[in-house]
Amino acid sequence: DAKTTQPNSMESNEEEPVHLPCNHSTISGTDYIHWYRQLPSQGPEYVIHGLTSNVNNRMASLAIAEDRKSSTLILHRATLRDAAVYYCICLNRDDKIIFGKGTRLHILP
Amino acid sequence: DADVTQTPRNRITKTGKRIMLECSQTKGHDRMYWYRQDPGLGLRLIYYSFDVKDINKGEISDGYSVSRQAQAKFSLSLESAIPNQTALYFCATSEGRASNAYNEQFFGPGTRLTVL
Repeated sequence: DAKTTQPNSMESNEEEPVHLPCNHSTISGTDYIHWYRQLPSQGPEYVIHGLTSNVNNRMASLAIAEDRKSSTLILHRATLRDAAVYYCICLNRDDKIIFGKGTRLHILP
Repeated sequence: DADVTQTPRNRITKTGKRIMLECSQTKGHDRMYWYRQDPGLGLRLIYYSFDVKDINKGEISDGYSVSRQAQAKFSLSLESAIPNQTALYFCATSEGRASNAYNEQFFGPGTRLTVL
């Protein structure tokens, strides 16, 4: 698996967009970029994934750099419920997931 | 009903005791995983199983063993518990079909284990 680097923590105001960065400079051509988040006192949950193109779903958007060495998870309008630890992971189809420490996102009311 | 369940949800035990944590899933997934989480750290993979006859060690398997009794059940055992195994333990599942290009994992609610 490619190593990922994320900031330890970030803050954002409620109802504003949040951009969570992730660097993965050693990503291989077949690695997918995944994001999971872990809400307080819960197990991680899948957020979004992508390979080369930007992706949108009901939870978030994923912007992938053209060289794929970095990506950004975008929460368009943060709510208090989005306060969580966000994990960026690169893996291919048969890999088990290796979680790093992630980014702890604080939402300010 | 939850798709991935873990029992017990909380357990306090003493050093040297044998402990079993159980995981069951109704998602019909082939792949199952056990992770532990310590305060301030991300999840670390203990063991994983890609089908009933397949068992693999993860990052931190020492002191643990597993049993895949059926497709739906994956148990984690601590043969002789020690205090530094105090942690939050998560079970997860994922599909194993070739069509699954992204291996999304579904997590259980976790088991909080305290070893005194």
